[in-house]
Amino acid sequence: GQNIDQPTEMTATEGAIVQINCTYQTSGFNGLFWYQQHAGEAPTFLSYNVLDGLEEKGRFSSFLSRSKGYSYLLLKELQMKDSASYLCAGLDSNYQLIWGAGTKLIIKP
Amino acid sequence: GAVVSQHPSWVICKSGTSVKIECRSLDFQATTMFWYRQFPKQSLMLMATSNEGSKATYEQGVEKDKFLINHASLTLSTLTVTSAHPEDSSFYICSAPRQGDYNEQFFGPGTRLTVL
Repeated sequence: GQNIDQPTEMTATEGAIVQINCTYQTSGFNGLFWYQQHAGEAPTFLSYNVLDGLEEKGRFSSFLSRSKGYSYLLLKELQMKDSASYLCAGLDSNYQLIWGAGTKLIIKP
Repeated sequence: GAVVSQHPSWVICKSGTSVKIECRSLDFQATTMFWYRQFPKQSLMLMATSNEGSKATYEQGVEKDKFLINHASLTLSTLTVTSAHPEDSSFYICSAPRQGDYNEQFFGPGTRLTVL
């Protein structure tokens, strides 16, 4: 079966760094996405990885290891507005997104 | 960037009535659109894949006669919740990849449906 696993909730301090992990099992693999979702809003795109390695985009970076079925999202210099749910999603061979349940990130001052 | 709109943003209706939600890709063409439902504190659940010019593909457990999908053009898909019940109250979100490019999906802002 297809499955995406990520922690349910994480807490971090403003200004710090946090890493949100995601492991995936999909039928075929066409890439891995990270989305940010604030409460009551639709998800917004953060990153897409299809090759192994680290992709950096400002304060956010995303890493992929296809051999391990593993990805992480790294958030640096945390700000209060980063408090949100972070969704990991794998794109399978049919180009359907398989969604994780999301990681709720709580930022404390 | 690509923009997807949804209308209405929120709707309250009586039990037994039907509600139509529109999803539009404003500046790109989308042969495929996805409809999701999200209950509070849960992840997105794919309901169906809407295909322009053909029938939608429904996920297991989603009643196609209750959730009618019409993808009449390359920029518009509609989801009609028929004979709505309180348990249909949810956040409905559509998304669309650019035609031929699945490297990113663009989400609509969502429609919050409350059935009384």
